[in-house]
Amino acid sequence: DAGITQSPRHKVTETGTPVTLRCHQTENHRYMYWYRQDPGHGLRLIHYSYGVKDTDKGEVSDGYSVSRSKTEDFLLTLESATSSQTSVYFCAISESTGNSPLHFGNGTRLTVT
Amino acid sequence: DQQVKQNSPSLSVQEGRISILNCDYTNSMFDYFLWYKKYPAEGPTFLISISSIKDKNEDGRFTVFLNKSAKHLSLHIVPSQPGDSAVYFCAARVPNTGNQFYFGTGTSLTVIP
Repeated sequence: DAGITQSPRHKVTETGTPVTLRCHQTENHRYMYWYRQDPGHGLRLIHYSYGVKDTDKGEVSDGYSVSRSKTEDFLLTLESATSSQTSVYFCAISESTGNSPLHFGNGTRLTVT
Repeated sequence: DQQVKQNSPSLSVQEGRISILNCDYTNSMFDYFLWYKKYPAEGPTFLISISSIKDKNEDGRFTVFLNKSAKHLSLHIVPSQPGDSAVYFCAARVPNTGNQFYFGTGTSLTVIP
């Protein structure tokens, strides 16, 4: 299994509060991604990173920011959580942009009340 | 708009028989396709991939077929086993986008012993 750890695994927070989710990898892969999974939508890309301090927006980036100060860590921040951000969040890593699949962590279930 | 579609939310198959999971896509630029398997409370696990320059790829009990003219992808599992019961996602990549993938909404496979 790819060495990907997401923390926390579960979180309940109130609307309007800031939340940060962490993804830590031990594979030294250059590319990291944040996806959210919602019923009827599959997995949708929020943000991704192609190197330290290099990030870009995905399909559903509004309301989210990311940071990557070290190769192994990719943080997802909800500046002011809303109920629409209740979801399961998955971090993924990829070795390259060649024909290299994504490998996922076990997810963080976030509930915004 | 969903660029990758899995039109069957669920599928039931007898143990030992073939499971066929289908995926349709709309973007003819997609160049690399993946299948994932997901158990509850876990992250998606990579199963098998196929490049757009091929029409078939096999790995043990799993075979993926790609029909580019029809923009259709399928995963065959033979023989199906009860441990194959999970949600299956297909994913497709637009080239030169930092390995960004679009995912389908998933098909829940139940293999009946």
